[in-house]
Formats: sequence, C-alpha cells, structure tokens
Amino acid sequence: DVKVTQSSRYLVKRTGEKVFLECVQDMDHENMFWYRQDPGLGLRLIYFSYDVKMKEKGDIPEGYSVSREKKERFSLILESASTNQTSMYLCASSIERQGAYGYTFGSGTRLTVV
Amino acid sequence: LAKTTQPISMDSYEGQEVNITCSHNNIATNDYITWYQQFPSQGPRFIIQGYKTKVTNEVASLFIPADRKSSTLSLPRVSLSDTAVYYCLAGRGGATTKLIFGTGTLLAVQP
Repeated sequence: DVKVTQSSRYLVKRTGEKVFLECVQDMDHENMFWYRQDPGLGLRLIYFSYDVKMKEKGDIPEGYSVSREKKERFSLILESASTNQTSMYLCASSIERQGAYGYTFGSGTRLTVV
Repeated sequence: LAKTTQPISMDSYEGQEVNITCSHNNIATNDYITWYQQFPSQGPRFIIQGYKTKVTNEVASLFIPADRKSSTLSLPRVSLSDTAVYYCLAGRGGATTKLIFGTGTLLAVQP
C-alpha cells in the first residue's frame, strides 16, 4: 500500500514562528498536494507540485510556501505563523496518469498557533 | 474541473442501505467520478471510482446514469463505523489535476 507520512500528528507553535510541516510518500508518485481543513469549509488546496522543484499555487497560498527538493518529500512552510493558520493540514500524493486517478492522504497534522 | 453538489448531511440506522447522490452537471468527457470517506482526525480515504454505469467493490457500489450528470454512492447495510464524511469529486488525472473537495456529506449512523 502507498504510504503518505506526515512528520507530526500535533503541533503547537507561537505566533511569528517559522513552521515546517513535512510529508513523505513511498510510492514514487509524481504529484503531491497540501490541503488545510477547517470546520464548515471542507478541504482547501494550498499548494501542489507535479515534479521535483516544481510548485503551483492552489486556492489559498497566502502565508505559505512549499519546497520539493526530492520526489518523495513535500514540505509546507509557514514563514511567520499566525493564529488564523490554526488548522488540520493534510498532505496527499497521486500518480501522474491520464484518466483514472486516486489520491492517497496522510493522517494529518493538527497545528495550533498560540 | 466539475463542481459537485451533495447533501450536507444524512441520517441512517444500522443495517440499512444508504444512498448518497452527487450532482455534477458540468462533468467533462474525460472526468472520472471518485468518492472518498473521511473519519474525524484522519485524512480522506479512497472508496470507489467510476466512469459510467455501475462499479462495485467490497465497500460500496457507484451508480452513474448515461448522462453522467449525477452519481450515487450506495453503502449496503451500514454500521456505526460507517459514520463519516463522504466526498464526491469529478475530475481526471494528469499534471494539472488538483482535486477540489467540497464540504462533503456527513453520514450519521444510529444504532
């Protein structure tokens, strides 16, 4: 089975801190994604990447950046954490293939910014 | 990417069959319909995917009419552990794929 592993299950950070959320997948998937999930808002796409060193903005990229130096790892960076970035963060990966597809998600990181 | 519409919530009892319908009026020719299940504090999990007619696996069935403007996820004989949020998506693979998740349908199964 494909595994998507997020480095932390829970994180508590202070306002203004630089925060790194790490995601690793073990099935050589080309595409990787970062979502955040908030009550009543569903999953919203922050950034995605379809190749090493490539990145594309999603719907809510403000306040975030990403890094993909290796194919298996996709990092989400909060340059200066703010309380409105308190959320559940979900990483996903998918294979590069036309037609049928499927995402595999990690278990999520619940980030609290105080 | 086709926008999907599904009920916000549904209630059921253990042992019943549950059908969740999703509307995707603007589905493109090459789009597939995919359903995900999400439990609290976990990432969504792929359940089933189809292009047309009927698809069945060990978890669910997916019914897609000929016009493909809607689809129905069918869960046979639900149990309490099927209480979750179910998401319907319409899209296709490729470098520009970025799945758009709505708010999903919260299925609450009662004893």
